[in-house]
Amino acid sequence: GAVVSQHPSRVICKSGTSVKIECRSLDFQATTMFWYRQFPKQSLMLMATSNEGSKATYEQGVEKDKFLINHASLTLSTLTVTSAHPEDSSFYICSARSQGYGYTFGSGTRLTVV
Amino acid sequence: EDQVTQSPEALRLQEGESSSLNCSYTVSGLRGLFWYRQDPGKGPEFLFTLYSAGEEKEKERLKATLTKKESFLHITAPKPEDSATYLCAVVESGGFKTIFGAGTRLFVKA
Repeated sequence: GAVVSQHPSRVICKSGTSVKIECRSLDFQATTMFWYRQFPKQSLMLMATSNEGSKATYEQGVEKDKFLINHASLTLSTLTVTSAHPEDSSFYICSARSQGYGYTFGSGTRLTVV
Repeated sequence: EDQVTQSPEALRLQEGESSSLNCSYTVSGLRGLFWYRQDPGKGPEFLFTLYSAGEEKEKERLKATLTKKESFLHITAPKPEDSATYLCAVVESGGFKTIFGAGTRLFVKA
């Protein structure tokens, strides 16, 4: 089946620093990847749609300068949380559309900003 | 406004006690409805895709059905390992944006 690998699984960073999260499709090419954040006991909220070779499309209310998305290849998309603050602490998940498997999700990244 | 509503929010079952989870949706046109299982601290795991009313899919103790307004995830004789949050999501026709419901947290007690 389609597999999406997401790293790191957990990261703790100091307030004001930047954190990069990687999302790789291992056995298929993903022209489009999606980035979500999830707060405890809440559902996934789409942050942005990442298209290979072009600028990401951000959902309303999501700061594009704070959440930098790069989709440089058909198998890799990255989300960089810049100048992180405690309110950015959340569970970040990527997904990619794969033929026959719906939307395959990464295992998620637990970000804690202290 | 497109919406996906899941009920109940939480469901506690005894092992072997069958039940159903509901997902009602409001979209102008449905491209696909998805069911996922999510364990704590992990990403969602794909279960089923349903495309049209009347469609049904089964996998082990799970069976998903779809009507024009809602989907049900039936759990037959659940086991403790079925405990998880079950997420429903829809993709509107003409696009790829996925709208998620808030999920149903299922607890199955031995």
